[in-house]
Amino acid sequence: DGGITQSPKYLFRKEGQNVTLSCEQNLNHDAMYWYRQDPGQGLRLIYYSQIVNDFQKGDIAEGYSVSREKKESFPLTVTSAQKNPTAFYLCASSWGLAYNEQFFGPGTRLTVL
Amino acid sequence: GQQLNQSPQSMFIQEGEDVSMNCTSSSIFNTWLWYKQDPGEGPVLLIALYKAGELTSNGRLTAQFGITRKDSFLNISASIPSDVGIYFCAGPVLETSGSRLTFGEGTQLTVNP
Repeated sequence: DGGITQSPKYLFRKEGQNVTLSCEQNLNHDAMYWYRQDPGQGLRLIYYSQIVNDFQKGDIAEGYSVSREKKESFPLTVTSAQKNPTAFYLCASSWGLAYNEQFFGPGTRLTVL
Repeated sequence: GQQLNQSPQSMFIQEGEDVSMNCTSSSIFNTWLWYKQDPGEGPVLLIALYKAGELTSNGRLTAQFGITRKDSFLNISASIPSDVGIYFCAGPVLETSGSRLTFGEGTQLTVNP
């Protein structure tokens, strides 16, 4: 089945540690995105990438980093510089930035203790 | 940046009732998307609208692209318990590198059996 996978579903880390969230897609989509969702709020864009080895900052990129070494994969690292990292993180993909329909993975809930 | 305003923020209804929600913007959009997010999951695309005045259905869901291009409406008929979730509207924002989606803050729907 084609789709987007995120792992793990739940992640716990101690304060001060970096943590990497996985996102893989087998839809052959060019563009991939990372969003953060806080309780009762909408989705805020962290980073996006339209092609391998290229990515752009979204609205809340501070404290996060990404890489796009393969078309299928777009991992997100939450660094210790992110002041409030506890949140629900969603990965999405689309055929390209010119294609508006984005498809989402199941999300990773990160809790920093 | 461009903002999408959704209303109402939350709704509590009885099973079998019809539901209406809307999304407005101060800017013109050329596409409107409606997503549903089940608790703890990623959003799922319900309906995409591409033309002013367009009315599109997906089962018991009907969405309309407002004539002014600044609003969109989502209706759910004969609600059932599995309609519970958060409904988001989204629209593309053009940037030099392409377009990206901006999301409303969502309408939380609760259906009482």
